[in-house]
This record gives sequence, structure tokens and C-alpha cells, in this order.
Amino acid sequence: LAKTTQPISMDSYEGQEVNITCSHNNIATNDYITWYQQFPSQGPRFIIQGYKTKVTNEVASLFIPADRKSSTLSLPRVSLSDTAVYYCLVGANSGYSTLTFGKGTMLLVSP
Amino acid sequence: SAVISQKPSRDICQRGTSLTIQCQVDSQVTMMFWYRQQPGQSLTLIATANQGSEATYESGFVIDKFPISRPNLTFSTLTVSNMSPEDSSIYLCSVEAPGPLTGELFFGEGSRLTVL
Repeated sequence: LAKTTQPISMDSYEGQEVNITCSHNNIATNDYITWYQQFPSQGPRFIIQGYKTKVTNEVASLFIPADRKSSTLSLPRVSLSDTAVYYCLVGANSGYSTLTFGKGTMLLVSP
Repeated sequence: SAVISQKPSRDICQRGTSLTIQCQVDSQVTMMFWYRQQPGQSLTLIATANQGSEATYESGFVIDKFPISRPNLTFSTLTVSNMSPEDSSIYLCSVEAPGPLTGELFFGEGSRLTVL
């Protein structure tokens, strides 16, 4: 499974756009990139998934360059409630995938 | 989507005892996954539980320490045996989204165990 590298922590202020970049140099051809969000005392929650280029949903956007060796999770106009740990995972998009969680990025949003 | 309920949500246990964590899913799923999250750490996969067969354990985890049951397609249990303070963690049950394959995982709220 491809190993991922993310910043350990990031700070932001309410209303700003936050971009969290994840490096996955050894990503395989059939690997997808998935991001999860985890609040304290809760299980992780799926945010977004992509394979290439750009994916957008109601929560975030995911930018993936052509070489797919990195990806950027973009959170528009963050609020205090976006304070959480964000995990980037890389793995095959199959019904029997066992995704590996890296260390994650602790995002702290301040007023 | 899938809704996952875990019991207990938290417990304080004595060294040397065992505790069984239950995981109930509101839909039938093929695979269920058990994770451990130690304080301040990321999630580590313990094992994958498939209904009707023995669980598959990841490196560093063994059946004698973490026996798993999977009696049907909506339920699983994880037992933490002969506990020590090092087993103090959050244990999370997870399933893949039912329906078309997406690779999306759903998690329970976790069971926070403290071993004294």
C-alpha cells in the first residue's frame, strides 16, 4: 500500500480557505485517494474521494495533479467546527480494500 | 450509507480481565473491520472479519489476544483478552459502504477502554 505524508498540523482562521496537501509518491495505478475527517471521541468520517484531476462535493474539493503523486484537500471558508484531524488514504477502490491510515493533519481553526 | 452502533461506548477494566465489544450495523455487509486508536495516534487495523470464516489479522495482532466473532452479516464482536494498561485505546468498528463499490468506510463511534 502506498505510504502517505501529510503535515502534522495546520492553523487557520474562520472564513479562510484551507488546503491540506498529501504526498503519495508510490501510488499504484489502481489506487484511489480518499480523505477522512475525525473529531475527538468520534470515528472518522468520509469526506471525499478521487482518482485524478478534480473532484468537488458539498464539503470539499480534491485536486490531483496528472502524476498523482500528491493531492490537495481544499476546505472553503472553514469554521470552528472544521477543527479536526484529516487523514489522507491511498488504496485500491475495491470491496475488500483495507485502507491504511497515516498520521493525519490536525487542523485548528481559530476565531 | 451505514449506521454502526458499538457497545460499550467506554469502560474501565482491571488488568488481566477480558472485555467484548459489540458492533451492530443497520445493513448487511460482507466485510467488517476492527481498528485500534491509541491515545493521540492514528488508526491501526487489527483484523478483517468476514461472515462464515475466520478473521484475518494484521501483523502484530493475534487471535488469542483479539478473538473476533462474525455470526451474521450485521454483527461482529471483538474481545480484548487478558488486558494490560497498554491495551488502553479506542476500538473502532468499520464497514465499507453497501451497494456499488466505492471504497468508502463507515465507522462506529468507538469503544474507549481504559485498563488499570
